[in-house]
Amino acid sequence: KAGVTQTPRYLIKTRGQQVTLSCSPISGHRSVSWYQQTPGQGLQFLFEYFSETQRNKGNFPGRFSGRQFSNSRSEMNVSTLELGDSALYLCASRQGNGPQHFGDGTRLSIL
Amino acid sequence: AQSVTQLGSHVSVSEGALVLLRCNYSSSVPPYLFWYVQYPNQGLQLLLKYTTGATLVKGINGFEAEFKKSETSFHLTKPSAHMSDAAEYFCAVSDLTSYDKVIFGPGTSLSVIP
Repeated sequence: KAGVTQTPRYLIKTRGQQVTLSCSPISGHRSVSWYQQTPGQGLQFLFEYFSETQRNKGNFPGRFSGRQFSNSRSEMNVSTLELGDSALYLCASRQGNGPQHFGDGTRLSIL
Repeated sequence: AQSVTQLGSHVSVSEGALVLLRCNYSSSVPPYLFWYVQYPNQGLQLLLKYTTGATLVKGINGFEAEFKKSETSFHLTKPSAHMSDAAEYFCAVSDLTSYDKVIFGPGTSLSVIP
């Protein structure tokens, strides 16, 4: 069974731009969660989608948004990028209330 | 709200020594509990999980953890550290009152000294 796939692995953007990250969950997993990981703040929960609906949300500004498609693939978008948005963005999928299965992340660098 | 604390952001052990990584959670309802490991430039990998039943849980790579409800703890142990165990370890809880939202602790970086 293929694992969680995140694309791209690395991304460089400049301040003010926007970015879209993609996540393909494990087949059969309907829940997809997104996390931001930075050395200073650790692993912070962004949001979770289930059956195309956001059912949990972390404490991030509205510049961070996401969506989920009918095939459970998910995208997250960050608009008006700031230097502080530089981070590793991790996607995780799961089945029911089982454990999260993580992708290898997208490393976003803002110049 | 649920929270997870991990005592010690950095832990160093000698190769062959006992590994003990501490995790405490706050919850009025016993949650599901997990330990994950992260190697550089990779995502998190599940080591073990506790849902119900036996409170001593065995995971991969020789790790185990014990759920102690009275102490709200879920400490991770391994009898003998190996160089390959050097990584970041995260304790996590699943909030059963909020669509099983998973909350992670701040992580503990484990170094293994040869």
